[in-house]
Amino acid sequence: DQQVKQNSPSLSVQEGRISILNCDYTNSMFDYFLWYKKYPAEGPTFLISISSIKDKNEDGRFTVFLNKSAKHLSLHIVPSQPGDSAVYFCAARGVGGGGADGLTFGKGTHLIIQP
Amino acid sequence: DTGVSQDPRHKITKRGQNVTFRCDPISEHNRLYWYRQTLGQGPEFLTYFQNEAQLEKSRLLSDRFSAERPKGSFSTLEIQRTEQGDSAMYLCASSLVLLGYNEQFFGPGTRLTVL
Repeated sequence: DQQVKQNSPSLSVQEGRISILNCDYTNSMFDYFLWYKKYPAEGPTFLISISSIKDKNEDGRFTVFLNKSAKHLSLHIVPSQPGDSAVYFCAARGVGGGGADGLTFGKGTHLIIQP
Repeated sequence: DTGVSQDPRHKITKRGQNVTFRCDPISEHNRLYWYRQTLGQGPEFLTYFQNEAQLEKSRLLSDRFSAERPKGSFSTLEIQRTEQGDSAMYLCASSLVLLGYNEQFFGPGTRLTVL
């Protein structure tokens, strides 16, 4: 039973446009959410996070939105750049997830930025 | 800050052999985590340490898996009697947790191939 779901295995966006990556979760005990970016042959790189007490967090070109009632979060990248092409993972932390402090990850979305 | 390092980066072994991986966290970080990632999946939490104490190990995949962090610095993950199903990327992460929750920073991973 997947507690964190990324239903789009891949997403193609034109350079300069907005990229929107979506994530749904089922466990209402999750209290902290994170997005990671991963290039081939490297470990995941932390991008941005949001606490469950907030509904938005912004850092430069990256904004994460959290809708607790819908158990949904999204990552917006504006404007999209070629270097953003990577696999993006949504992750969550909380009781009932991966232990007291382990993260539960989705399967990832492969973002492709077209020139 | 040199980031999280893992050694070796690649390991090929024969079924039934024991393997050990090493992780060196970011020096001031007090928590260290191990994850496993298989093809097409997100990282899967295995275990974590606060300093030298292993606070969660129920997620280790079987009793063939064990982890140590004897002096609260580097950690090792050992897999005994390897099986072909153990072939995966093994990721280590670290974080500094003082008040609240801090992000986990990942190393490059050790790719294990069991023949």
